[in-house]
Amino acid sequence: DAGITQSPRHKVTETGTPVTLRCHQTENHRYMYWYRQDPGHGLRLIHYSYGVKDTDKGEVSDGYSVSRSKTEDFLLTLESATSSQTSVYFCAISVPAGTEQYFGPGTRLTVT
Amino acid sequence: DAKTTQPPSMDCAEGRAANLPCNHSTISGNEYVYWYRQIHSQGPQYIIHGLKNNETNEMASLIITEDRKSSTLILPHATLRDTAVYYCIVRAFNDYKLSFGAGTTVTVRA
Repeated sequence: DAGITQSPRHKVTETGTPVTLRCHQTENHRYMYWYRQDPGHGLRLIHYSYGVKDTDKGEVSDGYSVSRSKTEDFLLTLESATSSQTSVYFCAISVPAGTEQYFGPGTRLTVT
Repeated sequence: DAKTTQPPSMDCAEGRAANLPCNHSTISGNEYVYWYRQIHSQGPQYIIHGLKNNETNEMASLIITEDRKSSTLILPHATLRDTAVYYCIVRAFNDYKLSFGAGTTVTVRA
């Protein structure tokens, strides 16, 4: 347990609505990540952050934005949710980039 | 562009050692081998990583062949709680991204 919490843990929303998922860490780690996991695709990186206000895109970033205004919080926003964004979303942290990553418990998002 | 190949599934008897193979024949000199597992509905859990020497921690041992083209994760005394999907990942030490493949579904049976 690396002190990572995600909220909400479950959410059902309608197509076209904005959704924000929150990842919170208690240990001031510099690097934070957002992944999504879908059957048959494993985990895929959406966005990552290497410091406050420093973020970059991962391999599946279309339709997602992120923000990091404080070290402890990394927000993932779906500006207009689509059914293809139904997934389980995991947040992760690592100390310096390249070392092992520790994952949160996940958020299950359903877009109807 | 899968960098690793793992068997899709394997069974193991409780209390016995579980040996999980991974092929990574195109591994580069600056790439490490990482192992993670994911127990149903939970976030992935880091297990161990290594470059070329064998490694051991409280969870498992990692054996990397001399040519580094394959490795084996060893769970020394498997328990029912070790039932999970195990992922072998190759990445450079300073690479921010983890690329998870399909992994090996390990079922530990009583």
